[in-house]
Amino acid sequence: GDSVTQMEGPVTLSEEAFLTINCTYTATGYPSLFWYVQYPGEGLQLLLKATKADDKGSNKGFEATYRKETTSFHLEKGSVQVSDSAVYFCALSDGAGGGNKLTFGTGTQLKVEL
Amino acid sequence: DTAVSQTPKYLVTQMGNDKSIKCEQNLGHDTMYWYKQDSKKFLKIMFSYNNKELIINETVPNRFSPKSPDKAHLNLHINSLELGDSAVYFCASSPRDTYYGYTFGSGTRLTVV
Repeated sequence: GDSVTQMEGPVTLSEEAFLTINCTYTATGYPSLFWYVQYPGEGLQLLLKATKADDKGSNKGFEATYRKETTSFHLEKGSVQVSDSAVYFCALSDGAGGGNKLTFGTGTQLKVEL
Repeated sequence: DTAVSQTPKYLVTQMGNDKSIKCEQNLGHDTMYWYKQDSKKFLKIMFSYNNKELIINETVPNRFSPKSPDKAHLNLHINSLELGDSAVYFCASSPRDTYYGYTFGSGTRLTVV
């Protein structure tokens, strides 16, 4: 079945540091890939998405590129801020008979300190 | 103007009780979902409804029963609550094509004591 593997956290960075959160996936079809962010006490918000190989999703300074050859969708940001502290989830949707189900990774907690 | 709203936000109840969580979306989406988030933040789908029809029913105890009176509402009823049911339950909705991603509610924190 479909699965998503994320690097374990927590990841602790200083403000303005470079961020990478690794994500790899296994899917039978050609999935769409997503990053969601969950701030403390809130629901998940869609951060960015990509629907086919080599697509780059970007939003609020975050980027991720759909790499079919390595089945990866790593999240990057050039300069993190304290306000980026949250839990980040990588997810895939395999529409081929998947019933619109999103399969999530385990989440990676990011803490950004001054 | 809330897109996906859940009630209640917090629910504390005793073992053995029956409780319901309500969800409503005003986005005109066709599909609604219930996800369970455990204490380690892991998210697992429980149910999915498309235009009032059940399309995903993962391995969930039959004490959990979803009900969708119309495509804008998806409620979750839980019978005979157990300690292990303590979690955050998220409702979400999406258009027919999940290219657009889900819109999540803010969650219901259920604590069974």
